[in-house]
Amino acid sequence: EIVLTQSPATLSLTPGERVTLSCRASQSVSNYLAWYQQRPGQAPRLLIYDASNRATGIPARFSGSGSGTDFTLTISSLESEDFAVYYCHQRSNWPSTFGGGTKIEIK
Amino acid sequence: EVQLVESGGGLVHPGGSLRLSCEASGFSLNSYPMNWVRQGPGKGLEWVSHISTTRNTIYYADSVKGRFTVSRDSARNSVNLQMNSLRVEDTAVYYCARAGPYMDVWGQGTTVTVSS
Repeated sequence: EIVLTQSPATLSLTPGERVTLSCRASQSVSNYLAWYQQRPGQAPRLLIYDASNRATGIPARFSGSGSGTDFTLTISSLESEDFAVYYCHQRSNWPSTFGGGTKIEIK
Repeated sequence: EVQLVESGGGLVHPGGSLRLSCEASGFSLNSYPMNWVRQGPGKGLEWVSHISTTRNTIYYADSVKGRFTVSRDSARNSVNLQMNSLRVEDTAVYYCARAGPYMDVWGQGTTVTVSS
């Protein structure tokens, strides 16, 4: 099973800041990696797929990069609605797995 | 509007069974692989099961293998998750998600509570 390790677990930030989240895979997943956002009480929402492609309707302030084992999600300038939990997810190998999540909270 | 709606959750004793259903509107669920994902109280996301469009390919997480069975009902445009031998640790919100191949459409979730 491929283990995805996200860091940090929690970030305390203010609106307007730039943030970079990390996701590291225990073995290569090529570019078969996605990022999801989950706001409290809501279902997850697809942000980025294939490591660097924005999903439909996702603002340009969200970007993804990486391949193989190291991936990042960058939010160029935090908006109030971006304070949420972010998960990476790989579909390279079964079982499909999620990272443990990074929570972005308001400082 | 493209939408998924889960149903069938509830309170069940350990060892009991539940059948979850996921119905689609706005698209043909038969045209997409589907996943079930769960989230325990205060926990992260856990992938549970996958079914391909043709039912030829089905996968389960080790934690549910042998106890859960995923299936399609083409007539009802739905996907089901039969959960047997339920354990306390199966308590979670269960989401169905369209896997096209990434999970781009999610339901609102249905809550399963396993408790004596």
